[in-house]
Amino acid sequence: GAGVSQSPSNKVTEKGKDVELRCDPISGHTALYWYRQSLGQGLEFLIYFQGNSAPDKSGLPSDRFSAERTGGSVSTLTIQRTQQEDSAVYLCASSLGQFLSGNTIYFGEGSWLTVV
Amino acid sequence: SQELEQSPQSLIVQEGKNLTINCTSSKTLYGLYWYKQKYGEGLIFLMMLQKGGEEKSHEKITAKLDEKKQQSSLHITASQPSHAGIYLCGAVNAGGTSYGKLTFGQGTILTVHP
Repeated sequence: GAGVSQSPSNKVTEKGKDVELRCDPISGHTALYWYRQSLGQGLEFLIYFQGNSAPDKSGLPSDRFSAERTGGSVSTLTIQRTQQEDSAVYLCASSLGQFLSGNTIYFGEGSWLTVV
Repeated sequence: SQELEQSPQSLIVQEGKNLTINCTSSKTLYGLYWYKQKYGEGLIFLMMLQKGGEEKSHEKITAKLDEKKQQSSLHITASQPSHAGIYLCGAVNAGGTSYGKLTFGQGTILTVHP
């Protein structure tokens, strides 16, 4: 498709289980972002990939969270030993390059994660 | 890193009324994004502003970036129920270890009554 694609769109998991969330950015986009949005909260930055540079992981809330981006395209966000406070919408975004080059950042529809 | 404050936090208007949402930065904005989000959906890109004094319009929505590049406003003319949603401003860190990271304001919840 033409937009940022995320899967699954909804995930219910038991506390303590691991989950993987996938993001397919727009073809050719070198920058990829992960954000988290909890109920009634703003957007919380998690991690940012730009080309072959080392990712900016400064927003990952704990070492249970990790993300990879294989081949400069698809990204997977992994949450290990999920906790109830991990319940949120996880949003992925991509852009052609860095913002200062005037590139628009496009968001996917998000993956709704519920930890029970 | 960039700190963005939006006002008001929520807004209820009657259909047909004009409204303005503001986004203020603690640092000079090297550019600003406006997005709209409906409950349960992703963010829809509205506009991007880069230059001081820049103004862009799309249908009934106009966004401006002030000359000092520390404040942006989003103005909706003759609001409609379809304009209802959460409006978010975002800005990119232009320096330091967080270069390229997009930070958002807390959002403005807009309700438009028919």
